[in-house]
Amino acid sequence: EDKVVQSPLSLVVHEGDTVTLNCSYEVTNFRSLLWYKQEKKAPTFLFMLTSSGIEKKSGRLSSILDKKELFSILNITATQTGDSAIYLCAVLIQGAQKLVFGQGTRLTINP
Amino acid sequence: DTAVSQTPKYLVTQMGNDKSIKCEQNLGHDTMYWYKQDSKKFLKIMFSYNNKELIINETVPNRFSPKSPDKAHLNLHINSLELGDSAVYFCASSQALAGVILDTQYFGPGTRLTVL
Repeated sequence: EDKVVQSPLSLVVHEGDTVTLNCSYEVTNFRSLLWYKQEKKAPTFLFMLTSSGIEKKSGRLSSILDKKELFSILNITATQTGDSAIYLCAVLIQGAQKLVFGQGTRLTINP
Repeated sequence: DTAVSQTPKYLVTQMGNDKSIKCEQNLGHDTMYWYKQDSKKFLKIMFSYNNKELIINETVPNRFSPKSPDKAHLNLHINSLELGDSAVYFCASSQALAGVILDTQYFGPGTRLTVL
């Protein structure tokens, strides 16, 4: 069965800290890995990673994929209270047209 | 402009009732999805439609019946609601070509269903 596992499940840090969120996967037919941020409502797209070793960056957020070790990390530097959210990792399965999600990491940034 | 919209946002109902949730997207996508997010925030796919045809049905009880009247709409009807159906239901859409999703999925705001 296709599986995506995120860690930690919950993380509480102070504003200004740097955090690293982890996502590992075991799937039958990998196509790409996606990161989403979910605040109160719908998940919003952050990154799509298809190739190993190429860092994607958007402001204070960055992410990288390791297809050999089957994991990805999402880094957030100089965290702000507005970064508080659930971060979801999902793997797109080739041919199946579906996303398999991890359980999410609940990140809380305290002022 | 709302890209993916769902109605209603909140739905509170009694066990045994039948209810529907509607979803519409104005992105011109040809693939739409229903996901269920449980109390632990775990998102799991239920159905996927491509050009009005069902392509994914992930072992969902047959009390759940999706209907796609056209590419821009995917509705979810639930019969004989049970307590365990309480969750947030998200609709999403994406563009696919020859069975391959080209872009990320865009999610609607969710419908919080509470079954009493």
